[in-house]
Amino acid sequence: AQKVTQAQTEISVVEKEDVTLDCVYETRDTTYYLFWYKQPPSGELVFLIRRNSFDEQNEISGRYSWNFQKSTSSFNFTITASQVVDSAVYFCALSEDERGSSASKIIFGSGTRLSIRP
Amino acid sequence: EAQVTQNPRYLITVTGKKLTVTCSQNMNHEYMSWYRQDPGLGLRQIYYSMNVEVTDKGDVPEGYKVSRKEKRNFPLILESPSPNQTSLYFCASSPHGQGSYEQYFGPGTRLTVT
Repeated sequence: AQKVTQAQTEISVVEKEDVTLDCVYETRDTTYYLFWYKQPPSGELVFLIRRNSFDEQNEISGRYSWNFQKSTSSFNFTITASQVVDSAVYFCALSEDERGSSASKIIFGSGTRLSIRP
Repeated sequence: EAQVTQNPRYLITVTGKKLTVTCSQNMNHEYMSWYRQDPGLGLRQIYYSMNVEVTDKGDVPEGYKVSRKEKRNFPLILESPSPNQTSLYFCASSPHGQGSYEQYFGPGTRLTVT
């Protein structure tokens, strides 16, 4: 069965520090998709990145970077030189290929609340 | 403006009184989904729809119903709400008939059942 674990419930760092949010997933499928979403204090959910299981290249977007490692079933998210505006709850999510038994069901982790102190 | 809208945004109701939360998207997306968000549990999928007249259960479908008669609308129905359905609800849509693409979320509906 699908499962997404975000073991870090809350993280607090001082501005300009680097911080990594962990995401570990479980799936029996060979084709799957991983996502990160951000939920700022205003409450909306914002898409950050999508990665398919065949693409293990790391991705960098400005201060954000993602490390996908199939060997450890992890899809970790790093913020470099954190800023107060990065304060939010971050969710990792998993979707299996629609041809798999779980069709297009999507599983979210429980989220990591990140606080950046000035 | 491309968006997903939900109504109402806030609702306080009593146990057993049927209610419907509407969801509408103007992006011609095929995939739509409902989630509930509870502290410490993240988002849990209630139902999803890969196209008109095609719906399927997510992880927590008990106590909920959905319908997808038109592509743009995906209402969530609580036939007999109970206090354990007090939660923050999000509707989302995604291009194509799969959950493998990024989702666009509505603003959320905060429901309190007393």
